[in-house]
Amino acid sequence: DGGITQSPKYLFRKEGQNVTLSCEQNLNHDAMYWYRQDPGQGLRLIYYSQIVNDFQKGDIAEGYSVSREKKESFPLTVTSAQKNPTAFYLCASQPRDNQPQHFGDGTRLSIL
Amino acid sequence: GNSVTQMEGPVTLSEEAFLTINCTYTATGYPSLFWYVQYPGEGLQLLLKATKADDKGSNKGFEATYRKETTSFHLEKGSVQVSDSAVYFCALSDSWSGAGSYQLTFGKGTKLSVIP
Repeated sequence: DGGITQSPKYLFRKEGQNVTLSCEQNLNHDAMYWYRQDPGQGLRLIYYSQIVNDFQKGDIAEGYSVSREKKESFPLTVTSAQKNPTAFYLCASQPRDNQPQHFGDGTRLSIL
Repeated sequence: GNSVTQMEGPVTLSEEAFLTINCTYTATGYPSLFWYVQYPGEGLQLLLKATKADDKGSNKGFEATYRKETTSFHLEKGSVQVSDSAVYFCALSDSWSGAGSYQLTFGKGTKLSVIP
């Protein structure tokens, strides 16, 4: 079945550490997105990519970085500069037209 | 800019009660509108969509009608079940978001709890 796979499901970060969240899709979608979800705040866009080797900052990009070397993969790195990283992170993909986004099951990141 | 406002929760209903979750939007262009559902510990699933004015989206007994005159997309269900307990998000996608992308703008979500 086609879909989006996020890993790991749970992740713990130590102070000063960078961590990388994986997102892989086999839907052949061009566009991919990373969102952060905090209780009571809905989803906020971190980064998005419309095509391989290109990506754009979203509303809350500070302290995060991404890469898009392959169409199927869009990993998110939470750097030590992100001082409040505890949240639920969701990856999504979308065909290259105005169709609904498809979401993965998320990664929950916590601070040790 | 674009924005979505949906009623705050939590909403608690008895099984078989009627559900309405209000959603209004502001958009620059001609958006498509969506309702997504999130079950505990999971990602978002598309529940229904509407792409132009007066369209009605429907799925699993849920319905929403795209009302351009009131800029609304309220979610309704005639008889809720315990299994409908989840968080519901209203969202819009507008090609005028910038740079030709179809970014989603989300409401803050409404938590629904259905009790037997």
